[in-house]
Amino acid sequence: GENVEQHPSTLSVQEGDSAVIKCTYSDSASNYFPWYKQELGKRPQLIIDIRSNVGEKKDQRIAVTLNKTAKHFSLHITETQPEDSAVYFCAASPPDSWGKFQFGAGTQVVVTP
Amino acid sequence: DVKVTQSSRYLVKRTGEKVFLECVQDMDHENMFWYRQDPGLGLRLIYFSYDVKMKEKGDIPEGYSVSREKKERFSLILESASTNQTSMYLCASSLQGSHYGYTFGSGTRLTVV
Repeated sequence: GENVEQHPSTLSVQEGDSAVIKCTYSDSASNYFPWYKQELGKRPQLIIDIRSNVGEKKDQRIAVTLNKTAKHFSLHITETQPEDSAVYFCAASPPDSWGKFQFGAGTQVVVTP
Repeated sequence: DVKVTQSSRYLVKRTGEKVFLECVQDMDHENMFWYRQDPGLGLRLIYFSYDVKMKEKGDIPEGYSVSREKKERFSLILESASTNQTSMYLCASSLQGSHYGYTFGSGTRLTVV
C-alpha cells in the first residue's frame, strides 16, 4: 500500500520568511495530493491540492509542487504570518483506493513575530 | 454551516465500557472515514465505508468496529474500551473517487480511565 513520509516534523520560522514542507510517497500510481491545515483545537481543513497531471499550483501565499519522477511533493508558504502557525498534513491517494488517503505524520509550523 | 458533525466533543469512559462515537454528514457523500490522531503519529485510518452497509478495515482496526446503516451516518464502536484507546477521533467524508478532498468533523477527544 501507499506510504507517505513528511519532513520536517517541526518548523520554526520568522514572520515574513518562507516555509517549505516536503513529502515523499511510495506508490507511483498515486494521482491526487491534498494538503490539510489543522489549527490548535480545530478540524483539519483542505488548503490546497494537486493532481498528478500538474507540476505546480498556487493560491495566494501557498503553493504546491509535484515531482512525479522523484515521487515527492512540497508545500511552500511565502511571507509567513502568525496565523500560519498550525499542523500541516500531506496526503496521497492511489487511483484504486476508493478515495482513501494515506497521510503523512504532520509538520508543526510555528511562526514567530 | 457545519457539514460533518460528531456527536461529542469530549468523552470520558471507563475501561471495559462499550463506546459509540457518532458521525453525521449532510453533503450526500458516499465515503466516510474514521481516523485516530495521536501526537507524532499523524492521522491513522481505523475504518472506512464507501457505501451503506459497506466497510473496509484501515491501518489500525483492532479493538474497533463500525456501522453504516444510513448514508449520512457512520458510527465507530469500541467494543471494550481500553486505556490505549485514549485519543482524538476524527470523522471525515468525501465524494467517491481519488480526486476529492475530505471534509472533517471537529473531533471527539476520548479519555478511557
